[in-house]
Amino acid sequence: EAEVAQSPRYKITEKSQAVAFWCDPISGHATLYWYRQILGQGPELLVQFQDESVVDDSQLPKDRFSAERLKGVDSTLKIQPAELGDSAMYLCASSPKDRGESDEQYFGPGTRLTVT
Amino acid sequence: DAKTTQPPSMDCAEGRAANLPCNHSTISGNEYVYWYRQIHSQGPQYIIHGLKNNETNEMASLIITEDRKSSTLILPHATLRDTAVYYCIVRALYFGNEKLTFGTGTRLTIIP
Repeated sequence: EAEVAQSPRYKITEKSQAVAFWCDPISGHATLYWYRQILGQGPELLVQFQDESVVDDSQLPKDRFSAERLKGVDSTLKIQPAELGDSAMYLCASSPKDRGESDEQYFGPGTRLTVT
Repeated sequence: DAKTTQPPSMDCAEGRAANLPCNHSTISGNEYVYWYRQIHSQGPQYIIHGLKNNETNEMASLIITEDRKSSTLILPHATLRDTAVYYCIVRALYFGNEKLTFGTGTRLTIIP
């Protein structure tokens, strides 16, 4: 069964350093999402792509976060500089373009970021 | 999208049916009820969704009240692998509204 791939699975970085996460969605999935999940809370959407275009980045802290999906396939989320409050799980999800009513999102295993 | 209210935690004995409630009293006519779950250290997993009719798949059943103000997710024969946080999400389906708005969910623990 096809899965969403994410790397790295774990990342420890010092505050003020730059960090990047990578996501490879399920083949053929046009929509890609990045969510952030703080411990004890549900995931929160950071950015949504439709192919290579950003559909929703209203919750992305644009002063330090950036996301790209240049060829409409895999995606990178970057934080520069990292702050202590960025410690969280970063989840990538994808869904097919013609998903009809189901609109199921498929999540990857996540990248757990710890900022020291 | 409408807000949802779920109990923070529940226990269920292994082999018994687990019934997880969700209140969504402000739901609109075009909003669907979705359930996802998140097993520890994994990404969320889709379970089931419905509009107004009861639904069943290989994982669970979804019972939506006639007034649609609440619903219940039923895991018919709970196993230890069903221990997870379960999220009830209400949202309308239209382009540009694909994001899932998660609450804090219900932490379900299956007791051996």
